[in-house]
Amino acid sequence: DAGVTQTPRHEVAEKGQTIILKCEPVSGHNDLFWYRQTKIQGLELLSYFRSKSLMEDGGAFKDRFKAEMLNSSFSTLKIQPTEPKDSAVYLCASSLANNNQAPLFGEGTRLSVL
Amino acid sequence: GEQVEQLPSILRVQEGSSASINCTYENSASNYFPWYKQEPGENPKLIIDIRSNMERKQTQGLIVLLDKKAKRFSLHITDTQPGDSAMYFCAAKTGTGSNRLTFGKGTKFSLIP
Repeated sequence: DAGVTQTPRHEVAEKGQTIILKCEPVSGHNDLFWYRQTKIQGLELLSYFRSKSLMEDGGAFKDRFKAEMLNSSFSTLKIQPTEPKDSAVYLCASSLANNNQAPLFGEGTRLSVL
Repeated sequence: GEQVEQLPSILRVQEGSSASINCTYENSASNYFPWYKQEPGENPKLIIDIRSNMERKQTQGLIVLLDKKAKRFSLHITDTQPGDSAMYFCAAKTGTGSNRLTFGKGTKFSLIP
């Protein structure tokens, strides 16, 4: 079974650029999460979709971060414009919508903003 | 919402001894508590979880305990081995109808040579 697929694995951007990260959830999973991981802040929720509908949008990330899920098998996270403080690992995870199932994480995209 | 505090942030023990990581949460409605292990350069992977209708769960050298009164849950690694060295994250899920997890800040676990 394919897990959660994230592309690219690594991204290097100049300050002010627009970057788009991509995620394909596990087939059949209804819930999709975007997290940002840094050493200092740990895992922070950016967005949470259920059956393509936005359930939660991380308050601190609203201004330059936009996640979309146009179909059940694909999601994007756009950061516009990028800033050096956005350098982090961006993790996508998915799970079934029934209660109490731990999300399965993708391998992540490591973003470096110069 | 939910807040999860995880301690310690760094943990080192002798090989073969046991290790414990503790987490506390704030929202009494939280009902599901997974633990993830993350090795360097890899994604977090679920290793064990516990639901609010249980107080204890054990699998393959791991024990999790849940004290709902104290809003505290813990992971115990018995007979630690080199392969146990990693980051460990606890998490809590609050309320029904949502699978959103709130994570602790993580524990960097390693063995003392």
